[in-house]
Amino acid sequence: SQQGEEDPQALSIQEGENATMNCSYKTSINNLQWYRQNSGRGLVHLILIRSNEREKHSGRLRVTLDTSKKSSSLLITASRAADTASYFCATDPTSYGKLTFGQGTILTVHP
Amino acid sequence: DGGITQSPKYLFRKEGQNVTLSCEQNLNHDAMYWYRQDPGQGLRLIYYSQIVNDFQKGDIAEGYSVSREKKESFPLTVTSAQKNPTAFYLCASSGQAAYEQYFGPGTRLTVT
Repeated sequence: SQQGEEDPQALSIQEGENATMNCSYKTSINNLQWYRQNSGRGLVHLILIRSNEREKHSGRLRVTLDTSKKSSSLLITASRAADTASYFCATDPTSYGKLTFGQGTILTVHP
Repeated sequence: DGGITQSPKYLFRKEGQNVTLSCEQNLNHDAMYWYRQDPGQGLRLIYYSQIVNDFQKGDIAEGYSVSREKKESFPLTVTSAQKNPTAFYLCASSGQAAYEQYFGPGTRLTVT
């Protein structure tokens, strides 16, 4: 079974708006990672946040982690049509790189 | 796609045949991984290798086999024992096990 669960399953917004995706997981983790996948392509790593961190930023991306609630969120600010993709969270409970992925959030940004 | 190549992009096979998917990386990464993705789903780990000549089963290893004879290569064989092999297969590598993974472009396997 997959540990991470993303919410919502699909999100449709207009260019310039912010997009927020959430991820919940079940067991303790070493780190949590967010990836993006364009249709039919490989995944691209966005951000890695470790269990002792609460927030990380990278450009227009902001990730938060709440280990007490076993949840994380990915915020994309000032979205662009090029941000249209599926976004996945992945948890690593072991530090061996044995990632468990959620089912993803499909983000559509309308120009 | 980060220095990882997978070939071919599309692969068609008849039921009952074994097929080997190629994965090569030039990133000098120690760790390599194979995932399977079904439509509308996340990725599931098939096998992973943290070092040459060593590999471990992931969550769905049944019907698959791998080898890791060279650091840059981690081929996956989908055997006839895999009951539902049609899927999108993704290979990844990582400089260290607890760090970000770099993915190849994937191979879409169709078995009829």
